[in-house]
Amino acid sequence: QVQLVQSGAEVKKPGASVKISCKASGYPFNSYYMHWVRQAPGQGLEWMGVFNPGPSRTTFAQNFQGRVTLTWDTSTSTAYMELSSLRSEDTAVYYCARSPSAGNDYWGQGTLVTVSS
Amino acid sequence: EIVLTQSPGTLSLSPGERATLSCRASQSVDSYLAWYQQKPGQAPRLLISGASSRATGIPDRFSGSGSGTDFTLTISGLEPEDFALYYCQQYGGSSWTFGQGTKVEIK
Repeated sequence: QVQLVQSGAEVKKPGASVKISCKASGYPFNSYYMHWVRQAPGQGLEWMGVFNPGPSRTTFAQNFQGRVTLTWDTSTSTAYMELSSLRSEDTAVYYCARSPSAGNDYWGQGTLVTVSS
Repeated sequence: EIVLTQSPGTLSLSPGERATLSCRASQSVDSYLAWYQQKPGQAPRLLISGASSRATGIPDRFSGSGSGTDFTLTISGLEPEDFALYYCQQYGGSSWTFGQGTKVEIK
């Protein structure tokens, strides 16, 4: 069955970077886009960006341009999201989510990132 | 960036009642719209894609309609497990966006 398993919770200081992993199984890894979505405490969902494995192309939401890096390791079927220059407003649960091009049909369990001095 | 506005913010209904949730886009997204359900502490679950196609395993009391800029999610006969947050999402452009959500709560 399809599974997306994310890395564990992180606590970071302002200005630092965080890198979250998302290990996929149960489907052909390179055949689906991988999106990243975050949710601040008590807030709604915010789309961050997407990795298209075909042409190895990334697209980001305007809010995250220049701060987010999405990478992909085919050998381990793992996607990564790195967010830099962290600030307190980046405290959130971060999700990876697969897309067959029409919505996100499978999601990781979420990774809580806390930014605090 | 395409902005999605959901209404109402909160819907207070009783089990068995019909729920009608709205999502309006700032520009046309054709039928590139999805709906999700989210419960506390859980990841979102895809309900509808392509504005009206139910995802695998979604009960037929959930239905979606609309195209262009105006969309509706209808839950015909609320079950206890349907009280949750609902989000719309557009994927018509290179950047995807979510609406701010509608909470369906027990009256």
